Amino acid sequence: AQSVTQPDIHITVSEGASLELRCNYSYGATPYLFWYVQSPGQGLQLLLKYFSGDTLVQGIKGFEAEFKRSQSSFNLRKPSVHWSDAAEYFCAAFDRGSTLGRLYFGRGTQLTVWP
Amino acid sequence: DAGVIQSPRHEVTEMGQEVTLRCKPISGHDYLFWYRQTMMRGLELLIYFNNNVPIDDSGMPEDRFSAKMPNASFSTLKIQPSEPRDSAVYFCASSGSGTGFDEQFFGPGTRLTVL
Repeated sequence: AQSVTQPDIHITVSEGASLELRCNYSYGATPYLFWYVQSPGQGLQLLLKYFSGDTLVQGIKGFEAEFKRSQSSFNLRKPSVHWSDAAEYFCAAFDRGSTLGRLYFGRGTQLTVWP
Repeated sequence: DAGVIQSPRHEVTEMGQEVTLRCKPISGHDYLFWYRQTMMRGLELLIYFNNNVPIDDSGMPEDRFSAKMPNASFSTLKIQPSEPRDSAVYFCASSGSGTGFDEQFFGPGTRLTVL
């Protein structure tokens, strides 16, 4: 079955430190991949997406993600975290082999930023 | 563009009452999704529509839940009768891609509390 795994439920980093949030997927073929961010009391906002081509994808707010087929991973990174980045982050995948138009979401990673 | 609009933003009701959540997707989008978010289960897809037609309702928890999309600009999610375990944040999202895999735009959510 298709699945998206975010191994880290909660991560804490200091402001200015680098960040990497992990995401692994389980699909027969390379899916379309997404990272969303959810601030408290808000809906989800798209940070970036990968469909094909360059495996390093740039997104909004200084985030980037790298697709690694060999590791079935799509990790989100940011070189220097700001306090405003504190939020919950969701990785999601669309199975391009499916006729259904649905996304599969990971359980999310809660990011806390220390001043 | 106003984005995806959901109403009400907060709903408090008593067990056994009928609850109706409303969603207005982004104009021109042909996919509409209803999600439920809880601490225990994370983000779950309940049902989604394409061109006002329900495509996959396998996530609807039970017969107490029903969803309709009478036209391209309006959808409802109804719970009758409501139970305390239905307490959650309900999100509506819409997408404009022909195959549904492009970015989903999320509304701000409706926080439902069933007493």
